[in-house]
Amino acid sequence: TQLLEQSPQFLSIQEGENLTVYCNSSSVFSSLQWYRQEPGEGPVLLVTVVTGGEVKKLKRLTFQFGDARKDSSLHITAAQPGDTGLYLCAGVGDSGYALNFGKGTSLLVTP
Amino acid sequence: DVKVTQSSRYLVKRTGEKVFLECVQDMDHENMFWYRQDPGLGLRLIYFSYDVKMKEKGDIPEGYSVSREKKERFSLILESASTNQTSMYLCASRKGRPYGYTFGSGTRLTVV
Repeated sequence: TQLLEQSPQFLSIQEGENLTVYCNSSSVFSSLQWYRQEPGEGPVLLVTVVTGGEVKKLKRLTFQFGDARKDSSLHITAAQPGDTGLYLCAGVGDSGYALNFGKGTSLLVTP
Repeated sequence: DVKVTQSSRYLVKRTGEKVFLECVQDMDHENMFWYRQDPGLGLRLIYFSYDVKMKEKGDIPEGYSVSREKKERFSLILESASTNQTSMYLCASRKGRPYGYTFGSGTRLTVV
């Protein structure tokens, strides 16, 4: 099973701070995806990274795929309370079809 | 607006009951998936279907079955509900392998 380890597990910061969360594996992935989940809702896709070394930006969110395609990071600049949620990384698992998910980083941004 | 709709947001069932969780997508997606989400364990794959009438076991299929008679509908069946099946159940669909998932809002099932 291709495991995805996310760190930190929990993060509580104040509005305006910057933060980075990590997604690591010993396996190589053809692509990785990042999702955000708000309480009581399903996860929502933020981005897919495909190429080793790739950097994608989504407003204040910057996603990077490691050169070896084994890890990824999400950096948030000037966090806002609306960024609060559970951030999940995911990659295609052994089935070749379904995604394996990391356990997530729970982010709380307070005003 | 494209959607994955799960039939119930909250369900309470008794131990031993047969439980049906329904999921419908309106995006003509090929692939559909059922996960359960538990604190400390994350999302775990129960079953998936890459096409109509096709189904594959995920990581934790024991105690569950699925049905996909039509492309838009993927049902999860708990044959005899047990308390350890109390969980948040998430359905997702996907156009095909390179694409991301669209999730439903989830069904929070409590088995008493």
